[in-house]
Amino acid sequence: KQEVTQIPAALSVPEGENLVLNCSFTDSAIYNLQWFRQDPGKGLTSLLLIQSSQREQTSGRLNASLDKSSGRSTLYIAASQPGDSATYLCAPRGTASKLTFGTGTRLQVTL
Amino acid sequence: NAGVMQNPRHLVRRRGQEARLRCSPMKGHSHVYWYRQLPEEGLKFMVYLQKENIIDESGMPKERFSAEFPKEGPSILRIQQVVRGDSAAYFCASSPVRWQTNEKLFFGSGTQLSVL
Repeated sequence: KQEVTQIPAALSVPEGENLVLNCSFTDSAIYNLQWFRQDPGKGLTSLLLIQSSQREQTSGRLNASLDKSSGRSTLYIAASQPGDSATYLCAPRGTASKLTFGTGTRLQVTL
Repeated sequence: NAGVMQNPRHLVRRRGQEARLRCSPMKGHSHVYWYRQLPEEGLKFMVYLQKENIIDESGMPKERFSAEFPKEGPSILRIQQVVRGDSAAYFCASSPVRWQTNEKLFFGSGTQLSVL
């Protein structure tokens, strides 16, 4: 059974800082891994998807890496802004074709 | 091409009533996934359906909960005799039959169920 852990659970940084969010998963037999953001009381916005054969994906100020063999992924956010404040979720997709979510990292970017 | 549509956005029920949550997949998608997010918790998988068939219901409580995805119309998640512990946000997502490994899974905006 896939288990996903995200560290830290919460993070507060001043605007402009670069930051790294960590995700680890127990079952490395995955097709891909998606990173999402969730704003309070809202749905999920898909940010990045990394296939199991890839090491990195970039979109704007976001960069996600994947080390499948060690069961780890990181989301790097450059030059953070207050609008980045949200909960970030990682979700590997297993062979059963469903995503397993971590409990998320709650990010607060302050002015 | 509309995204995954869920309704209602908010649903209030009294204990013992039934709740029906609807999910219309993206155009061309025939697989639907339901997830539940309890307050201050992560999203938990409930059930995975294709049209007229349940593929995986390993995350769904055995009692009071059922899901269907008929040949025509939206997928329905049904909760009978709701209790306060059912209060949560329910999200659904959809995928095509041949879900490629480079394709993202997109979610609807969710239904917030509140049980009084």
